[in-house]
Amino acid sequence: DTTVKQNPRYKLARVGKPVNLICSQTMNHDTMYWYQKKPNQAPKLLLFYYDKILNREADTFEKFQSSRPNNSFCSLYIGSAGLEYSAMYLCASSRDMTGDTQYFGPGTRLLVL
Amino acid sequence: GEKVEQHESTLSVREGDSAVINCTYTDTASSYFPWYKQEAGKSLHFVIDIRSNVDRKQSQRLIVLLDKKAKRFSLHITATQPEDSAIYFCAGANYNVLYFGSGTKLTVEP
Repeated sequence: DTTVKQNPRYKLARVGKPVNLICSQTMNHDTMYWYQKKPNQAPKLLLFYYDKILNREADTFEKFQSSRPNNSFCSLYIGSAGLEYSAMYLCASSRDMTGDTQYFGPGTRLLVL
Repeated sequence: GEKVEQHESTLSVREGDSAVINCTYTDTASSYFPWYKQEAGKSLHFVIDIRSNVDRKQSQRLIVLLDKKAKRFSLHITATQPEDSAIYFCAGANYNVLYFGSGTKLTVEP
């Protein structure tokens, strides 16, 4: 089973309000990722966890937080949503960090108004 | 950092013909090149990958070619079928950080 689950599938948020997105996998993968995808653009890596170590991309460092309370779950947290955060957020996982296949969840479509 | 460019934003072929999607990359350290398919309303689904120790890989109707000198790789879909219609994303990576191209919308016409 290569299923990655995401909740919610759709999220409507107000400008300035926090947003919390959840991802889970049962493949016992060591690495979990969060990508942002906007229409007609490439998916962009925001951050990833290798085990309990969080790595955030330099240009999104201050905009997104994350936690991984156990191997199966990973969250993406936006403290104060802006209009520019409207996008699809994709969670993925892979067995390790050596270029192993990444399996993607169905995504959460976030609309900020 | 790595930049991956996907040259065709749209591609239309007749059912049964071959489709070719081309990508280039900038970082010579990149060694892993996966391809993902996104069908309408769905997420990214892994289809095939190639690593830098080979220059060709085939899985059924999918062939991936890698030219390390030109920093170019391509996905060939042979004998296309209507269910091949989707957006295809190429990516390049050194270790696990994937840098994606912006996608090619492939339409297979009956």
